[in-house]
Amino acid sequence: AQRVTQPEKLLSVFKGAPVELKCNYSYSGSPELFWYVQYSRQRLQLLLRHISRESIKGFTADLNKGETSFHLKKPFAQEEDSAMYYCALVSGTYKYIFGTGTRLKVLA
Amino acid sequence: NAGVTQTPKFQVLKTGQSMTLQCAQDMNHEYMSWYRQDPGMGLRLIHYSVGAGITDQGEVPNGYNVSRSTTEDFPLRLLSAAPSQTSVYFCASSYRQGRGYTFGSGTRLTVV
Repeated sequence: AQRVTQPEKLLSVFKGAPVELKCNYSYSGSPELFWYVQYSRQRLQLLLRHISRESIKGFTADLNKGETSFHLKKPFAQEEDSAMYYCALVSGTYKYIFGTGTRLKVLA
Repeated sequence: NAGVTQTPKFQVLKTGQSMTLQCAQDMNHEYMSWYRQDPGMGLRLIHYSVGAGITDQGEVPNGYNVSRSTTEDFPLRLLSAAPSQTSVYFCASSYRQGRGYTFGSGTRLTVV
């Protein structure tokens, strides 16, 4: 079954500490993976897509096919990073499967 | 470009009432979808469309209808509202696979 798992509902880190938001997936085929961010009561915004291998707001994510993971990382957390983060997988042509999300709280 | 526009932003319905959530995009995107967002459950796909005249069911389609008469518009109809449909609804569109979705700002629906 195609699935995206985000094992942590809440992740709290101190400002300046490294951040890793975990995402594991189950998919038979070559996956296309994304990270979305949702700031308080706002719309979801695309943060990263694995195809482009870009770094946005200091965040990076590497696709590890062996471990079927796409963890989101940032070396030094900032308070403005506090948000809900969703990992998503494209299934088939365009159907997106989302994880349940991880709330990141960056403490001062 | 306005992007993806959803109306209304907030709505309160009584059980049994019907209504339509509007979604429009001006980016000429082929793919459009409706999701509901519930605490602890992430986003769940309700219905989706790959182009005008073509729609299909997602993960949680019961109680909802959609149509896609134009590329721009993808309304979601609640046939007979139930308290279980209290949620935040997001419309999203995409140009093609691999580009990622553009989301609307959401509609917060409460059914009493």
